[in-house]
Amino acid sequence: EAQVTQNPRYLITVTGKKLTVTCSQNMNHEYMSWYRQDPGLGLRQIYYSMNVEVTDKGDVPEGYKVSRKEKRNFPLILESPSPNQTSLYFCASSLSPFYGYTFGSGTRLTVV
Amino acid sequence: DQQVKQNSPSLSVQEGRISILNCDYTNSMFDYFLWYKKYPAEGPTFLISISSIKDKNEDGRFTVFLNKSAKHLSLHIVPSQPGDSAVYFCAASAGNDYKLSFGAGTTVTVRA
Repeated sequence: EAQVTQNPRYLITVTGKKLTVTCSQNMNHEYMSWYRQDPGLGLRQIYYSMNVEVTDKGDVPEGYKVSRKEKRNFPLILESPSPNQTSLYFCASSLSPFYGYTFGSGTRLTVV
Repeated sequence: DQQVKQNSPSLSVQEGRISILNCDYTNSMFDYFLWYKKYPAEGPTFLISISSIKDKNEDGRFTVFLNKSAKHLSLHIVPSQPGDSAVYFCAASAGNDYKLSFGAGTTVTVRA
């Protein structure tokens, strides 16, 4: 089944404790992206990657890092999480801008 | 500043009637528009799209209309069904840019 898999689905952590949210896709898509969803703001892009070793900032990259060492994986790294990073995070991949994106099921992150 | 705006946070409609969701954008470079549907605890799923060279695109019960001069698009769902109850996001991109800008979403409730 074609899908984007994120882990974990839920995570509660403390301020400053480094964490990684994994994202993997099995569709051989070149493009991958991370979004965060907050009430009243919709989905905002954090980082995206056009291909292996090619990444760029989205609209809200502060406090996040990404890497794209393999085509299928695009982990999101929070080096020192803060409470304002409490959000619902989605990973997405795409074959082409004209075919839409396939999203993962989301990761609900709470930073206390 | 959000470049894609969905000014109605919610919409309630009777089953069998038409649902009309509206979306406005400010960036005149946007030339590709998409609608996504999202159920609770799931990622958004692609619903329908339209290119700026068209003013209408239809797919079954879903029709998207684009008015470029007004920088406005709308999604019509006819007839509305209980399974259509979800959050709908409008999104836009410019050229072949993979970057999507999303609206804040409209929650649709279809009443039996």
